[in-house]
Amino acid sequence: GQQLNQSPQSMFIQEGEDVSMNCTSSSIFNTWLWYKQEPGEGPVLLIALYKAGELTSNGRLTAQFGITRKDSFLNISASIPSDVGIYFCAGQLEISNAGNMLTFGGGTRLMVKP
Amino acid sequence: NAGVTQTPKFQVLKTGQSMTLQCAQDMNHNSMYWYRQDPGMGLRLIYYSASEGTTDKGEVPNGYNVSRLNKREFSLRLESAAPSQTSVYFCASSELGEGIAETQYFGPGTRLLVL
Repeated sequence: GQQLNQSPQSMFIQEGEDVSMNCTSSSIFNTWLWYKQEPGEGPVLLIALYKAGELTSNGRLTAQFGITRKDSFLNISASIPSDVGIYFCAGQLEISNAGNMLTFGGGTRLMVKP
Repeated sequence: NAGVTQTPKFQVLKTGQSMTLQCAQDMNHNSMYWYRQDPGMGLRLIYYSASEGTTDKGEVPNGYNVSRLNKREFSLRLESAAPSQTSVYFCASSELGEGIAETQYFGPGTRLLVL
């Protein structure tokens, strides 16, 4: 099956630092999504990217859809303790009436030290 | 709106036992999905239902069956549980739009331990 390589696997940073994580794939995706998962909860959508080269922000979060359509990154500026969680990238190959199937990266576990 | 709900939240089974995980969404979404999440592996799609009355296999369907009972409900059944099925199971739903990808919304998960 398709695979997304997400890095880093984990990060332990100081409050106030900026964070950067990325996903790469050998396949071209039409859509990139970034989710955050907190302990005991399901993933929650943070940012959706629909066009190659697109740069989208959501508060302190910024994500970009790579020009090659094979990668995406997520930046978090001025991290705070509530940013703790696991961040997942997800890619979608195509839109069809067969459902919007997503392929997920392995996740980046973020820990923030106050 | 409750969004996507799942029951039970936790379950312990013995090898060979069967059980059904329930999922319901109140967002009038057409598509529903079942994933399993294992440490370091992200989420892997087990089965999905693009619309009421249809179901299709995902990446890891072996050992599972599903039923799209109606537009709201999508259940996942383990006929004979195995320790390898110990995992956290997530249900998700999405509105299938035209021309643009629709995002998936996830339930809180069911934590299953098979002994």
